[in-house]
Amino acid sequence: KQEVTQIPAALSVPEGENLVLNCSFTDSAIYNLQWFRQDPGKGLTSLLLIQSSQREQTSGRLNASLDKSSGRSTLYIAASQPGDSATYLCAGPGGGYQKVTFGTGTKLQVIP
Amino acid sequence: DTGVSQDPRHKITKRGQNVTFRCDPISEHNRLYWYRQTLGQGPEFLTYFQNEAQLEKSRLLSDRFSAERPKGSFSTLEIQRTEQGDSAMYLCASSLGAGLDGYTFGSGTRLTVV
Repeated sequence: KQEVTQIPAALSVPEGENLVLNCSFTDSAIYNLQWFRQDPGKGLTSLLLIQSSQREQTSGRLNASLDKSSGRSTLYIAASQPGDSATYLCAGPGGGYQKVTFGTGTKLQVIP
Repeated sequence: DTGVSQDPRHKITKRGQNVTFRCDPISEHNRLYWYRQTLGQGPEFLTYFQNEAQLEKSRLLSDRFSAERPKGSFSTLEIQRTEQGDSAMYLCASSLGAGLDGYTFGSGTRLTVV
């Protein structure tokens, strides 16, 4: 059974800082991993999808990496902005091809 | 296509009442999923459809819960005899193939049982 853990649970940083969010998973047979953003009371927005053949993906100020051997993924946010304040969730396939297992998320606050 | 749509956005109901939520997936997506998210937690898988067939159900889905996708397009999730513990965000997602690629979530329906 896939279990996904995210550390830290909450993070508060001043605007402009670079930061790293961590995600660890138990099933190394993971074949892709995705990072999502969730604003309060809203649904999930996909940020980056990393296929198992890839080591990282980049989109603007975001960079996500995947290390299957250690069971870890990181989301790097460069030059953080107040608009980055949200909860960030990582997710991987769990228990088959259909369902997805989510971490509990990291709640990020970027202070102006 | 504007993505995955869910209706209503918010629902407040009295304990014991029945509620029904609707999800309209991206039109070409054949797979549809329901998740439940409680405060401070990640979404938890409830059930999965491929076209009109319900292929997997979580044990979280008690017999008070039923989901349908009658024509392989929109889906409904019904909760009978609601309980306060049912209060949560109910999220729908759709995809074209297996895995996470193209997995798209709706904005969710927030249910409050009073």
